[in-house]
Amino acid sequence: GENVEQHPSTLSVQEGDSAVIKCTYSDSASNYFPWYKQELGKGPQLIIDIRSNVGEKKDQRIAVTLNKTAKHFSLHITETQPEDSAVYFCAAGGSSNTGKLIFGQGTTLQVKP
Amino acid sequence: DAGVIQSPRHEVTEMGQEVTLRCKPISGHNSLFWYRQTMMRGLELLIYFNNNVPIDDSGMPEDRFSAKMPNASFSTLKIQPSEPRDSAVYFCAGSRGHGANTQYFGPGTRLTVL
Repeated sequence: GENVEQHPSTLSVQEGDSAVIKCTYSDSASNYFPWYKQELGKGPQLIIDIRSNVGEKKDQRIAVTLNKTAKHFSLHITETQPEDSAVYFCAAGGSSNTGKLIFGQGTTLQVKP
Repeated sequence: DAGVIQSPRHEVTEMGQEVTLRCKPISGHNSLFWYRQTMMRGLELLIYFNNNVPIDDSGMPEDRFSAKMPNASFSTLKIQPSEPRDSAVYFCAGSRGHGANTQYFGPGTRLTVL
């Protein structure tokens, strides 16, 4: 069945360093790849997304890259700040022409001051 | 806009009791999703509605779980009878349209079944 693998499960960086989280997906028909940030006690919130007709997208300190051939996509956070500490989820969707998303297992990012 | 509203925020119940979780999506969002989140299994999609019609309920664990969407502004997820293994955080999310789009999550309901 459809599957999204996310690595690493935990990531600790010093403030100001970069953080990279990687995901692979199994369904080659997927065409929508969002990233969500979940803070403690809250629901996930979209931080950036990319569609399959684009290879890279950037929004200030956050960027996402997509390699459709290899079926993987990555989240890059530069100049990390303590408030970036949270759980990050990748997801893949669009293959069944429905709104269904398959989520990765999540990455707990800790940014040390 | 108030965002997605879920109630209750916390629910503690005893095994065997009926539990009803409620969700009000953002106005105009015609797709609605119920998810369950646990440490072991992560975020699991339980059921997905579009225009109040269930499209995919393959994630519903078993017959003890049921969901309804009587109108565009309200949905319920019911567990009857509840079991300790149902303890989790349950999220409702909504999006526009029928295809893959941004999903807006509610704050979740933390369910504990003793």
